[in-house]
Amino acid sequence: RKEVEQDPGPFNVPEGATVAFNCTYSNSASQSFFWYRQDCRKEPKLLMSVYSSGNEDGRFTAQLNRASQYISLLIRDSKLSDSATYLCVGPHSGGYQKVTFGTGTKLQVIP
Amino acid sequence: DAGITQSPRHKVTETGTPVTLRCHQTENHRYMYWYRQDPGHGLRLIHYSYGVKDTDKGEVSDGYSVSRSKTEDFLLTLESATSSQTSVYFCAISDQDRGQSSPLHFGNGTRLTVT
Repeated sequence: RKEVEQDPGPFNVPEGATVAFNCTYSNSASQSFFWYRQDCRKEPKLLMSVYSSGNEDGRFTAQLNRASQYISLLIRDSKLSDSATYLCVGPHSGGYQKVTFGTGTKLQVIP
Repeated sequence: DAGITQSPRHKVTETGTPVTLRCHQTENHRYMYWYRQDPGHGLRLIHYSYGVKDTDKGEVSDGYSVSRSKTEDFLLTLESATSSQTSVYFCAISDQDRGQSSPLHFGNGTRLTVT
């Protein structure tokens, strides 16, 4: 089983919709998680850090569910500019110096 | 944005030739990483460094070597390039602290094609 797994999508949603992505992880001792956004042919960019109680930043909310071992990213009022691939990131079994990336979930917001 | 510069941005090379990619940072971060990204595989760690002259292997290190002689520079070398090393290579930096993973910040990437 991969350390971090996410649905590759694509998720096609209309403008203004609310969309949620989940990411499951296997290391129950994991403490730190992150969501990254990657635009086509660009580098990944940090979107949000997800610590113990989750956090919110404008239209974006990240949650951590330790009991079921998954993290989620909720995007409200989707904009065309939200179209991108969203990468889930969790700790690596080899130590805190490394992290593990999910393969990404592609979001396409449609006019 | 974090001060990370990768060079070259694009490179085409022939099978069997040596190739060196450079990553330069101005953030004075201790940790530096080299990843490759391929369709269907996501980002995979090649090598990383936790200080000057201190490096370790990642999941896909075969065929690659690295060097870090200064805090700001991390070099990735393909000793004898193969077509399977055609990929997009990303350098990343991090300021890990107190045993907890910190977010990585990425450079713009290098597109390498091995013919």
